Amino acid sequence: DGGITQSPKYLFRKEGQNVTLSCEQNLNHDAMYWYRQDPGQGLRLIYYSQIVNDFQKGDIAEGYSVSREKKESFPLTVTSAQKNPTAFYLCASSIIWTAYGYTFGSGTRLTVV
Amino acid sequence: DQQVKQNSPSLSVQEGRISILNCDYTNSMFDYFLWYKKYPAEGPTFLISISSIKDKNEDGRFTVFLNKSAKHLSLHIVPSQPGDSAVYFCAAPSQGGSEKLVFGKGTKLTVNP
Repeated sequence: DGGITQSPKYLFRKEGQNVTLSCEQNLNHDAMYWYRQDPGQGLRLIYYSQIVNDFQKGDIAEGYSVSREKKESFPLTVTSAQKNPTAFYLCASSIIWTAYGYTFGSGTRLTVV
Repeated sequence: DQQVKQNSPSLSVQEGRISILNCDYTNSMFDYFLWYKKYPAEGPTFLISISSIKDKNEDGRFTVFLNKSAKHLSLHIVPSQPGDSAVYFCAAPSQGGSEKLVFGKGTKLTVNP
């Protein structure tokens, strides 16, 4: 079955550490996205990529980095520069110009301890 | 500046009654709208969409209405069921396509048995 997989589901990070969240899709989608969800804030776009080896900053990119070396993979690194990293992170993918928007992964809950 | 606004953070209804979730937008260039449903600790799933050339789209118990002059859309769920309890997000493609969806902050619907 095609889908989008995020791992791990739960992640704990010590202050000052970088952590990388994995996102893999086998839907042959061109575009991939990272969103962050905080209570009362909805979904805010961190980074997105429409083709391999290219990506753009979203609305809240500071303290985050991404890579897109393969079409299937779009990992997100939360760096120590991100001041409030505790959140629920969602990865999504889409075919450009589809009527159904995104397919989302099941999310990663990151907690700073 | 929020382009898609869901002004009600929560809504509670009785099972069997109608649920009405509202969404306002500011960008008159938006020509397509989507509703997503999200359960806790899961990724959002696509629910229903509407093109700006229509004023209504129906799928089973779910109907979305679009009022372009008022820049307002609403999602009706009839009859509401306890399994409908979730957060509902309104979204629109920011560039006129499916890339870079802009999301509202969501409305948490609780359907009481």
